[in-house]
Amino acid sequence: SQKIEQNSEALNIQEGKTATLTCNYTNYSPAYLQWYRQDPGRGPVFLLLIRENEKEKRKERLKVTFDTTLKQSLFHITASQPADSATYLCALHGNNRLAFGKGNQVVVIP
Amino acid sequence: DSGVTQTPKHLITATGQRVTLRCSPRSGDLSVYWYQQSLDQGLQFLIQYYNGEERAKGNILERFSAQQFPDLHSELNLSSLELGDSALYFCASSVEDSPGTEAFFGQGTRLTVV
Repeated sequence: SQKIEQNSEALNIQEGKTATLTCNYTNYSPAYLQWYRQDPGRGPVFLLLIRENEKEKRKERLKVTFDTTLKQSLFHITASQPADSATYLCALHGNNRLAFGKGNQVVVIP
Repeated sequence: DSGVTQTPKHLITATGQRVTLRCSPRSGDLSVYWYQQSLDQGLQFLIQYYNGEERAKGNILERFSAQQFPDLHSELNLSSLELGDSALYFCASSVEDSPGTEAFFGQGTRLTVV
């Protein structure tokens, strides 16, 4: 069956450090992979999209990599700030739907 | 503000009842998705419509149904409600129905079944 796996343990990180999150998937052959941010009780907000032929994508302090051989994407937040504290979701298209991982919570400690 | 409007924001109802959740997509978006998010679960895909037609169905219960109207707004109907249906229900919209398209989410409807 198709799976999108993210670490269920919250990532606690000191302000100013780089947070790195992992998204692994199985039984997908995605041409695109997306990352979203979700704050408690709110709807997810789109952050970045990366194509299969792009190894890396950057947006401000965010960086995403996409390795279709490993079936993995890494999401980095550099120079993390307390305002970056949230849950980050990766998402893939498959079977005509946009499916999400369960998300990985990040807590940035001042 | 994503431009996607969901009403109501909160809903408290009794078991066995029926409710309707409403979603207005962003202006110009033809595709609407519905998701359910429970406390210990991620976003579970329910159903997708594109320009009025059903495009994809997830693990949506038979007690649940949805439709997209000619003005592109969508409604999710939940009937014979059970305690386990308590969750956040999100609607999302996108311009197209293609894998490279980002989705814009509403603020959700929090349904509590008592």
